[in-house]
Amino acid sequence: GQNIDQPTEMTATEGAIVQINCTYQTSGFNGLFWYQQHAGEAPTFLSYNVLDGLEEKGRFSSFLSRSKGYSYLLLKELQMKDSASYLCAASLLTGGGNKLTFGTGTQLKVEL
Amino acid sequence: DGGITQSPKYLFRKEGQNVTLSCEQNLNHDAMYWYRQDPGQGLRLIYYSQIVNDFQKGDIAEGYSVSREKKESFPLTVTSAQKNPTAFYLCASRDREDEKLFFGSGTQLSVL
Repeated sequence: GQNIDQPTEMTATEGAIVQINCTYQTSGFNGLFWYQQHAGEAPTFLSYNVLDGLEEKGRFSSFLSRSKGYSYLLLKELQMKDSASYLCAASLLTGGGNKLTFGTGTQLKVEL
Repeated sequence: DGGITQSPKYLFRKEGQNVTLSCEQNLNHDAMYWYRQDPGQGLRLIYYSQIVNDFQKGDIAEGYSVSREKKESFPLTVTSAQKNPTAFYLCASRDREDEKLFFGSGTQLSVL
């Protein structure tokens, strides 16, 4: 079956750096997404990794290792508004087309 | 402005009643998806459609039904067979040339 694991909760200090890890065991893997979701709102796209390596986009970076089934999201210079749930999702190729399978999300709390 | 519109934002269901959640997109996307999110949980795939007049079951399709008669519309019916329907329901769409999912603002369904 498909399995995606990420920590349930993390706490970090404003201005610091935090790394949120995600491991996956899936078939038909096609890429790895990270989404940010504030409570009661729709997820918003942060990053998409297809190839191994680090992709940097402003304060956020995402890393993928396909051979290890591992990804992380790195948030720098944390701000209070970064308090949210961060969802790791694997893009999978199936007989019925592409679909995203999500992890349970990591609730990040940024403190003063 | 292009986007995905879900309605209503809040919906209440009585015992034994079927309810339909609306999802409309004007992004000209081919693929559309329905996800369910329970408190503190990730997103679970209910149904998805890659093209008009075709749809596939996701991981938790029991108690739900969909139709895809038009490219821009993908309504979800929560039937009386779904015994635990209280959840946040998210609709999403994707362009065939892009892996990224765009989400609607969600519908919170509760049982009276």
